[in-house]
Amino acid sequence: GDQVEQSPSALSLHEGTSSALRCNFTTTTRSVQWFRQNSRGSLINLFYLASGTKENGRLKSAFDSKELYSTLHIRDAQLEDSGTYFCAAEVPNYNVLYFGSGTKLTVEP
Amino acid sequence: GGIITQTPKFLIGQEGQKLTLKCQQNFNHDTMYWYRQDSGKGLRLIYYSITENDLQKGDLSEGYDASREKKSSFSLTVTSAQKNEMAVFLCASSRDRSNERLFFGHGTKLSVL
Repeated sequence: GDQVEQSPSALSLHEGTSSALRCNFTTTTRSVQWFRQNSRGSLINLFYLASGTKENGRLKSAFDSKELYSTLHIRDAQLEDSGTYFCAAEVPNYNVLYFGSGTKLTVEP
Repeated sequence: GGIITQTPKFLIGQEGQKLTLKCQQNFNHDTMYWYRQDSGKGLRLIYYSITENDLQKGDLSEGYDASREKKSSFSLTVTSAQKNEMAVFLCASSRDRSNERLFFGHGTKLSVL
């Protein structure tokens, strides 16, 4: 729905460069998850955050529940990072995840 | 680790037809979900289930039925396929109802002629 605004909708990076994806939430959010969907449609869970930051290799995510946003930083982008990235927000009292519309990332040589 | 298996991978139906999609997980997770993804868009929740025989409606439940026959399986029925409908249906599971870390199957791609 409109609970999650994800940007940018598309992003092109050269190998070795870095960038950040962002999700803004229009309502109180208990937690956020980030996923990557590959060309075959498989969704991989990258991060689950209830607060603060988490890092996994070249990926780092942050969640600010007071300012209602989350970011996903990609450092030293590689070709295999290409795919569509989704964030999903857990809204209290609804017990469901609301997904953003995704960022299609293309990493070029 | 575990795996979520969705069958079939591809489903071609006729307008008005009743179609059933199946999902099995061996994570021993309590909660299972069915999402619909339209081309270029995010995922929308159809149904979820927090335990065997439980059923909860999502935002997109109209036109669908679901059944949690046992803890490991969750099926979705399109009650009357719409002409030219094309979408991917994704099954997911999580350990409990707190939406802790969702894991997804590979999806069932539906085309309606």
